[in-house]
Amino acid sequence: GAVVSQHPSRVICKSGTSVKIECRSLDFQATTMFWYRQFPKKSLMLMATSNEGSKATYEQGVEKDKFLINHASLTLSTLTVTSAHPEDSSFYICSARSPFRRESYNEQFFGPGTRLTVL
Amino acid sequence: LAKTTQPISMDSYEGQEVNITCSHNNIATNDYITWYQQFPSQGPRFIIQGYKTKVTNEVASLFIPADRKSSTLSLPRVSLSDTAVYYCLVGVPSDYKLSFGAGTTVTVRA
Repeated sequence: GAVVSQHPSRVICKSGTSVKIECRSLDFQATTMFWYRQFPKKSLMLMATSNEGSKATYEQGVEKDKFLINHASLTLSTLTVTSAHPEDSSFYICSARSPFRRESYNEQFFGPGTRLTVL
Repeated sequence: LAKTTQPISMDSYEGQEVNITCSHNNIATNDYITWYQQFPSQGPRFIIQGYKTKVTNEVASLFIPADRKSSTLSLPRVSLSDTAVYYCLVGVPSDYKLSFGAGTTVTVRA
């Protein structure tokens, strides 16, 4: 299957700083990637859809100036949490749609996630 | 997107079969049913997808009755490593945005 990686796996930062999280598709090209956020013992919440070569599409309630997304190549999308605050502490997960696309399938491959802790 | 309802949690023992039922009364004609598995501190993993009747792969089986208002994920002979959260999703494959519900936490004990 296709592999998606994330870096870093864990990051701790001070309040007010910015943090960049990378999402890479290792063995396939991904024109579209997705960013999710998951709080402890909660479900995944889609934050935005990242499109290669164009602006990201944000879900309602997600501040685009707070969570900057860049999809500069077919294998890399980045999420930058700007001026992070303790309430931004969460598990951030990216995904990419399966390259083995069939009409009846909607499989996505997820990265291992990034644990962000803002002090 | 059709709303789904699953049990919050289920307990089982090694070697048993675990069946998780998901209700989706408002499923649309073009919707498919997809299940994902998530281990703690990891991203979800696709398990199985189906439209009607029964689908089986090396990991699980998915049973979908004729009215498609519910579906059952069956995990045969579970082991401790099957302890995870299982999510049922319903949607049109071409609309590739996924909407995760609360999921079912399955705990397998020795």
